[in-house]
Amino acid sequence: QKEVEQNSGPLSVPEGAIASLNCTYSDRGSQSFFWYRQYSGKSPELIMFIYSNGDKEDGRFTAQLNKASQYVSLLIRDSQPSDSATYLCAAKEAAGNKLTFGGGTRVLVKP
Amino acid sequence: EPEVTQTPSHQVTQMGQEVILRCVPISNHLYFYWYRQILGQKVEFLVSFYNNEISEKSEIFDDQFSVERPDGSNFTLKIRSTKLEDSAMYFCASSGVVDGNQPQHFGDGTRLSIL
Repeated sequence: QKEVEQNSGPLSVPEGAIASLNCTYSDRGSQSFFWYRQYSGKSPELIMFIYSNGDKEDGRFTAQLNKASQYVSLLIRDSQPSDSATYLCAAKEAAGNKLTFGGGTRVLVKP
Repeated sequence: EPEVTQTPSHQVTQMGQEVILRCVPISNHLYFYWYRQILGQKVEFLVSFYNNEISEKSEIFDDQFSVERPDGSNFTLKIRSTKLEDSAMYFCASSGVVDGNQPQHFGDGTRLSIL
């Protein structure tokens, strides 16, 4: 069974601080990784994706991938109250298209 | 920005009835997907569809389920003889070219309630 694991949280972060979210995956064949944001009762919204080891930055977001450790992370800099949501990590294997999702980490940014 | 659209936003159906959920993927996308999310649980893959046929399906996607692309724009999920446990949010997604670099974009979902 291929699994993607995340700490469910909540991760409480003061406004303006950095939120650090972690994700581990069991399938070494996973090739690409995606971070989605999901507000309560809404659909997953793509934040960014990464497929090479190292860091990838997009605005206030940085994704980090370490395939040897089977570990993906997301940093949110200058956290805003509007960043309060559940963040979903998803992995795509090399063969096939399906995404395997983690359970999500709930983030609360307090003013 | 192009988006995936889904209808209806909420569907209430009696157990045992058939239901069809509809999706219009992003116009230049080639790959289409259905996922579901039971309340409080993970998003789960159901099926992927490419070139007018199913390319992959999960164990959830049994004979009760079917997908169809009836025309050049719509993509549907049919659930025959619905069960209480089919109650969930159903998300349609689409992506361009599958090379690992093309993310899937999700629609707003259909909340399916089975009574």
